[in-house]
Amino acid sequence: KNEVEQSPQNLTAQEGEFITINCSYSVGISALHWLQQHPGGGIVSLFMLSSGKKKHGRLIATINIQEKHSSLHITASHPRDSAVYICAAVKAAGNKLTFGGGTRVLVKP
Amino acid sequence: NAGVMQNPRHLVRRRGQEARLRCSPMKGHSHVYWYRQLPEEGLKFMVYLQKENIIDESGMPKERFSAEFPKEGPSILRIQQVVRGDSAAYFCASSPKGGTSEAFFGQGTRLTVV
Repeated sequence: KNEVEQSPQNLTAQEGEFITINCSYSVGISALHWLQQHPGGGIVSLFMLSSGKKKHGRLIATINIQEKHSSLHITASHPRDSAVYICAAVKAAGNKLTFGGGTRVLVKP
Repeated sequence: NAGVMQNPRHLVRRRGQEARLRCSPMKGHSHVYWYRQLPEEGLKFMVYLQKENIIDESGMPKERFSAEFPKEGPSILRIQQVVRGDSAAYFCASSPKGGTSEAFFGQGTRLTVV
């Protein structure tokens, strides 16, 4: 079993819908990152969380340390949100990122 | 303040040649990480470096791969005698300090071995 698991693997939504991506981890962490990767493109860091909730525009990320679970929400989704979303954990007392398998999101107009 | 710069963006090498991938971190960042993304697979950690030091190379293949981050200049990931299985996207990330500091990623170098 991977230390960082994401669900779903693929998600298709209609423009305007609310999207939720889940990330569970089995190890102690000091922080969790949410990343966005467009096809053939680079990786953009969306959030880094160690507790609570963060919001940036239409994106919201939450983390529950006790339950070892984080979610990324996209409100009022748009076709330009189509990308792969990746959660990545920094293990406690560590430095490197351990990645989930990614969630491929397609938002249809 | 430019972001993390990787070059080249695309690199084609014949089997047996050497590949050199460069990463210039953001200004003021002294921590560099290299990650590899094989086709249709997730990202995997390769190596973590600070200036002139390799801190963690637990993700590096035992042979043919090496990395450095000299006092001056970019970090270099070097792959000797490339094979088809080395074809992947190689991403570099930098941060001002290790651990929980935010990481900024480059655009990646896509290596194709023919």
